[in-house]
Amino acid sequence: AQSVTQLGSHVSVSEGALVLLRCNYSSSVPPYLFWYVQYPNQGLQLLLKYTTGATLVKGINGFEAEFKKSETSFHLTKPSAHMSDAAEYFCAVRGDQKVTFGTGTKLQVIP
Amino acid sequence: GAVVSQHPSRVICKSGTSVKIECRSLDFQATTMFWYRQFPKQSLMLMATSNEGSKATYEQGVEKDKFLINHASLTLSTLTVTSAHPEDSSFYICSARLTGDNQPQHFGDGTRLSIL
Repeated sequence: AQSVTQLGSHVSVSEGALVLLRCNYSSSVPPYLFWYVQYPNQGLQLLLKYTTGATLVKGINGFEAEFKKSETSFHLTKPSAHMSDAAEYFCAVRGDQKVTFGTGTKLQVIP
Repeated sequence: GAVVSQHPSRVICKSGTSVKIECRSLDFQATTMFWYRQFPKQSLMLMATSNEGSKATYEQGVEKDKFLINHASLTLSTLTVTSAHPEDSSFYICSARLTGDNQPQHFGDGTRLSIL
């Protein structure tokens, strides 16, 4: 069985502040891990993914995430939030063939 | 926690047949369900938004007559791929949420559709 937990359904940060969105997973096999972003009334856009190799993964729009096996985490970060980052973010894990999504975290950026 | 069940998880069928995919919210009433499609190595594309008791809202470029969506109850939405062809082969995933934009989306496990 596999699962994804996103801590915090809503996160607010000030413009220019650090963004940290948390994701913990469980998987019985070495996982592939993903972060998606969804802007209002749009589909899910892939931000970044971890498959194998380097545990620090860089994605689009200045986001990055670090795979920490010992902590079963894949937190998403961005050093400085921009107003355009306001969206909903989904973490996902792929074990064997199945992909499991978290319930999402809505990011609000305060000017 | 809220669970969304999607069935079948995998289907292989011949070109020209119709395939129905079910999306059920097991322990909550989902007034809104979403259907996504993922092409290989690409992001999930929103196909349509399904509201219980009303017609689905399709995204631009999605053929309504090709991808029939029915949301007949608060716990069930179906996607029927009619007269499927190899180019319809893809990964389809649904999600469901309670009323209100601030409610989280709960995703099904997805359906891998392969048309021969």
